[in-house]
Amino acid sequence: GENVEQHPSTLSVQEGDSAVIKCTYSDSASNYFPWYKQELGKGPQLIIDIRSNVGEKKDQRIAVTLNKTAKHFSLHITETQPEDSAVYFCAASRTGANSKLTFGKGITLSVRP
Amino acid sequence: EAEVAQSPRYKITEKSQAVAFWCDPISGHATLYWYRQILGQGPELLVQFQDESVVDDSQLPKDRFSAERLKGVDSTLKIQPAELGDSAMYLCASSLAGTSASGNTIYFGEGSWLTVV
Repeated sequence: GENVEQHPSTLSVQEGDSAVIKCTYSDSASNYFPWYKQELGKGPQLIIDIRSNVGEKKDQRIAVTLNKTAKHFSLHITETQPEDSAVYFCAASRTGANSKLTFGKGITLSVRP
Repeated sequence: EAEVAQSPRYKITEKSQAVAFWCDPISGHATLYWYRQILGQGPELLVQFQDESVVDDSQLPKDRFSAERLKGVDSTLKIQPAELGDSAMYLCASSLAGTSASGNTIYFGEGSWLTVV
């Protein structure tokens, strides 16, 4: 089955700086890679996703890059703000109605004001 | 914006007791998932429904856990008897149809926190 790993497990940045969170996956057939943000006591919220037919996707301050050859993908947050502080999960799956999303263990991002 | 509804939000139960969680997915979503999230970990899939049918329950501890989605809409996850190790957040999620290439995404509810004492 799929195995998704996230590094590092915690990340602290100064407000205004950029943050980069990296994930690796094991199943070469995976082609859907979402990122979720989870605030304390809440469910995960999708912030951006990428499919294997593209290498990069941007949405305002957030971008995701995908390297299928190396089987890794990264989340980039620019101009970080204190409200970006949360746990971020990457996930991977094949596409299809019965596909299963496998999550990494999460990274805690702290943005220092 | 439509949301996945879950109840109860918090539940404390004694070990060996029964507990049930309810989920109402986003209207029109055929695929419903139950995940378990232990503190400090990522969500792990317990069971996946396509309409009223189970398509994946390989990680569901079937000796004590059961899930149903009788009319293909809302769903119930039951634990009987509860054990101390079941303390976790139980997340329900839904999507139009899995993670097909048409761009369906998985939306999560706020979760149900279970503490077994």
